[in-house]
Amino acid sequence: AQSVSQHNHHVILSEAASLELGCNYSYGGTVNLFWYVQYPGQHLQLLLKYFSGDPLVKGIKGFEAEFIKSKFSFNLRKPSVQWSDTAEYFCAVNARRNAGNMLTFGGGTRLMVKP
Amino acid sequence: EPEVTQTPSHQVTQMGQEVILRCVPISNHLYFYWYRQILGQKVEFLVSFYNNEISEKSEIFDDQFSVERPDGSNFTLKIRSTKLEDSAMYFCASQREGVGYEQYFGPGTRLTVT
Repeated sequence: AQSVSQHNHHVILSEAASLELGCNYSYGGTVNLFWYVQYPGQHLQLLLKYFSGDPLVKGIKGFEAEFIKSKFSFNLRKPSVQWSDTAEYFCAVNARRNAGNMLTFGGGTRLMVKP
Repeated sequence: EPEVTQTPSHQVTQMGQEVILRCVPISNHLYFYWYRQILGQKVEFLVSFYNNEISEKSEIFDDQFSVERPDGSNFTLKIRSTKLEDSAMYFCASQREGVGYEQYFGPGTRLTVT
């Protein structure tokens, strides 16, 4: 069975600080990896995804993530956060088979950026 | 940009009652999902649906739950006899066919069972 761990439940940063959110997964096969974000009062939106190729993926709003296969990790980074990045961030994985596979989510990290 | 929509946004029901949560997936998507998030817990997979049948379901998705695509646009989740522990946010998601596509989520329906 798949599982996903996000180590930081709450993170508070000041604007312009750098961000790194940890994500580790457990699964015996090949996976697709995702980071979703949920802004206050809004639905889950995709920040970025990794399916194959370059393990450093860039997403929207200046976010990036690096897939390190040997560490089963997919950490999210942003060099300089803004107040508008205040949201909850979810790491998710699914098995790389055909489409239509369930996502397994981590517990989420609530990020608060102070202006 | 097309979006997944869900109705209602909030449903309050009494224990033992039946509820139907509705979703309109993105029109050219062929895979449909329901997830739920109990307050303070992880988002959990319930069921996936493709080609008019369930393709995968979790242990949570017992005989009290059912899904249906009654017409070409709606995708519904029915809970036959609600329990207090069914109180949660329920998310619908849809996905295009093919490899490399992500799931698009709706805004959720908050179900409160009293």
